[in-house]
Amino acid sequence: ILNVEQSPQSLHVQEGDSTNFTCSFPSSNFYALHWYRWETAKSPEALFVMTLNGDEKKKGRISATLNTKEGYSYLYIKGSQPEDSATYLCAWPIQGAQKLVFGQGTRLTINP
Amino acid sequence: KAGVTQTPRYLIKTRGQQVTLSCSPISGHRSVSWYQQTPGQGLQFLFEYFSETQRNKGNFPGRFSGRQFSNSRSEMNVSTLELGDSALYLCASSPQSSGASYEQYFGPGTRLTVT
Repeated sequence: ILNVEQSPQSLHVQEGDSTNFTCSFPSSNFYALHWYRWETAKSPEALFVMTLNGDEKKKGRISATLNTKEGYSYLYIKGSQPEDSATYLCAWPIQGAQKLVFGQGTRLTINP
Repeated sequence: KAGVTQTPRYLIKTRGQQVTLSCSPISGHRSVSWYQQTPGQGLQFLFEYFSETQRNKGNFPGRFSGRQFSNSRSEMNVSTLELGDSALYLCASSPQSSGASYEQYFGPGTRLTVT
């Protein structure tokens, strides 16, 4: 069974605070890990595609790290703003199957 | 480039009816995938098409079908609708160049309500 798990399921953070959450995935046959941000009533937006063990990617106040040997990735948000409120999804592509297996997501709410 | 578009955005159908949803991928993308999202289930893979051929199918009953046209536009059809088919249906397209990382670009979804 190929499971991608995210924790926590939901998170409430005060504006200005920093936060992080986790995605765990099968560590065998690793090709890539995707992070998406999904705001209500909009399309999921690609944040990062991570491919190398030890990768660290950054986009503004958001960054992500990857550990393929132990099968986890962290997403960090520094100085949270109300516009960061969204569901953050990670997804693991299955090679040869042309599909992504998604975690359940972490629903982040930033309190002003 | 225009993003992935889906029509209609909202749909209400009655149990037993059938429905067709449409997806137009990003220009130049030949792979189109469909996902279903229901509360508590997360995004579940339905099927993927490339050059008018279904390459992969998720674990859904035969009532769910799809097709892709020569211009890469795709449709999915659900026959004999059940209450449990109420969900958000997302379409995603992928460039051939994404390789093993399989980058996907999503549309805004069609919200289907079955009453």
